[in-house]
Amino acid sequence: GNSVTQMEGPVTLSEEAFLTINCTYTATGYPSLFWYVQYPGEGLQLLLKATKADDKGSNKGFEATYRKETTSFHLEKGSVQVSDSAVYFCALSELFSGNTGKLIFGQGTTLQVKP
Amino acid sequence: DAGVTQSPTHLIKTRGQQVTLRCSPKSGHDTVSWYQQALGQGPQFIFQYYEEEERQRGNFPDRFSGHQFPNYSSELNVNALLLGDSALYLCASSLVVGGVTGELFFGEGSRLTVL
Repeated sequence: GNSVTQMEGPVTLSEEAFLTINCTYTATGYPSLFWYVQYPGEGLQLLLKATKADDKGSNKGFEATYRKETTSFHLEKGSVQVSDSAVYFCALSELFSGNTGKLIFGQGTTLQVKP
Repeated sequence: DAGVTQSPTHLIKTRGQQVTLRCSPKSGHDTVSWYQQALGQGPQFIFQYYEEEERQRGNFPDRFSGHQFPNYSSELNVNALLLGDSALYLCASSLVVGGVTGELFFGEGSRLTVL
């Protein structure tokens, strides 16, 4: 079945460091890919998405490129801030395009940024 | 504009009991999806309600049931609670356009503890 695998955390970085959180997926068809973020005490928020191969999603300085050849959707940010400390989830949806409402999530990666 | 609201925020039950969790979708949304998030794990899809009917279901037993009301709000019911049902239950709302579910907006969740 379809699945998402993320790098294990926690990831601890100093402020202004470069961030990469790896995400790989297994899926049939052409899933859409997402990154969600969960700040302490808050609900999940959509960070960025990509709906087809080679698409790059970006938001708030974060980027991820949909790589069909390597089945990956790694999250990157050039310079992290303390306010980026949160849990990050990679997810996919199981349709040719768009979002069915059924998302398959990875296990989450905790990011801690120290001043 | 109110986002997705869930109640109660926390509750404690004992094994064998039944629980009802409630969700009000974001204004203008017509679809509600429910997810279970065990501690340290990613959310798992339970089911989706649209037009007052269950449209999709994940790999959860019949002890998990739901309902959607004409005002689009929704309830999640879990019968015969097990210790393993302890989790954060997330509600997500969205709008269906052209048969495709749009972006999911998540509530902060209801934390269920089963003793």
